[in-house]
Amino acid sequence: NAGVTQTPKFRILKIGQSMTLQCTQDMNHNYMYWYRQDPGMGLKLIYYSVGAGITDKGEVPNGYNVSRSTTEDFPLRLELAAPSQTSVYFCASSLITGELFFGEGSRLTVL
Amino acid sequence: DAKTTQPTSMDCAEGRAANLPCNHSTISGNEYVYWYRQIHSQGPQYIIHGLKNNETNEMASLIITEDRKSSTLILPHATLRDTAVYYCIVTAGGTSYGKLTFGQGTILTVHP
Repeated sequence: NAGVTQTPKFRILKIGQSMTLQCTQDMNHNYMYWYRQDPGMGLKLIYYSVGAGITDKGEVPNGYNVSRSTTEDFPLRLELAAPSQTSVYFCASSLITGELFFGEGSRLTVL
Repeated sequence: DAKTTQPTSMDCAEGRAANLPCNHSTISGNEYVYWYRQIHSQGPQYIIHGLKNNETNEMASLIITEDRKSSTLILPHATLRDTAVYYCIVTAGGTSYGKLTFGQGTILTVHP
């Protein structure tokens, strides 16, 4: 039981490039979330999903896209990367709202 | 979801109890109080949650006031490894979904 797995752990992007952060969970959780955390700050919710085929925006969705084609996977797509997207990205999942299991994070730098 | 207010930082001596307060005066009847902590740059870790009764598990105790407008997370015998940012979140529980939002949290520093 691996829990929540995020890849890659580290990535450097150039301005304008695109990439996808992968998130997979093996706990059969319905709810999945993407957060970003800037240095010294709290977590900001980007997107969340309550089940396959259903996604919704969080606090800071601009510049990102998500899809949820399966229960296990919840990839986060960055289009046209900007320096403001330099952050640590956390994926999380839960069986019921509130009790989240987090991945180890993906550290993204946009130069 | 109700908004929460926590002190920015707190200190505690190793071996003593750490009492972390959280104010959630706008909490509604179906909302739970959840506590998480984040050690250094790791992903946040779930600690405990409650609705109106006090709760205890192997990590901590949660005391919720009778009017539910505030709560206190208690780490009974703090260790250096408890140094972390502690987040208090209020959200509807069960199968109803909500946008879980983390505030700034409380930076707890445990001193030798």
